[in-house]
Amino acid sequence: GAVVSQHPSRVICKSGTSVKIECRSLDFQATTMFWYRQFPKQSLMLMATSNEGSKATYEQGVEKDKFLINHASLTLSTLTVTSAHPEDSSFYICSANRGTENQPQHFGDGTRLSIL
Amino acid sequence: GQNIDQPTEMTATEGAIVQINCTYQTSGFNGLFWYQQHAGEAPTFLSYNVLDGLEEKGRFSSFLSRSKGYSYLLLKELQMKDSASYLCAVLDSNYQLIWGAGTKLIIKP
Repeated sequence: GAVVSQHPSRVICKSGTSVKIECRSLDFQATTMFWYRQFPKQSLMLMATSNEGSKATYEQGVEKDKFLINHASLTLSTLTVTSAHPEDSSFYICSANRGTENQPQHFGDGTRLSIL
Repeated sequence: GQNIDQPTEMTATEGAIVQINCTYQTSGFNGLFWYQQHAGEAPTFLSYNVLDGLEEKGRFSSFLSRSKGYSYLLLKELQMKDSASYLCAVLDSNYQLIWGAGTKLIIKP
């Protein structure tokens, strides 16, 4: 069964709206979670690494003030897309390692974000 | 820089065998993963190789040669549901996962 849950699966909203996406590890504690973005027909792009109890580590070119990450507990990380615009429309996916760093990442089902 | 190469697209026939290659150049190596991603869905884990050789898991097998920086995913007895993108990803010395662009596999009847 699923080990990582992501919610919501789809969001359609107006430009300027802030959207929060939740990622939960279901039966394990995840000190680290990962947030990816994927545009149509393109590969996964790591946006940031979410660290429980500390600040997220953002990849180059990703605006930390635009994509707010909060990892408040060992089973929950949230990504908030602030003041979303049409160019933020994408498929956002979270993942977590179940165990040590060389364990496979398990992915949530993804959130398809459409900004009108 | 770090680089992972895999073919953009491959086509195969139902019931046949297909091999998807992946070559990598990374700063260090702590293992290689293969994931399957159906259109509009998140990736799902297929295999992990950290030692040289072949790992077999049902219809899917994955091979690794660390000296050559090379891996392949072998799919046997292809089924229509195997139509998907297959992503190769390498864990570098910092345990950062480096992703390939994926290979879109098209299965024809």
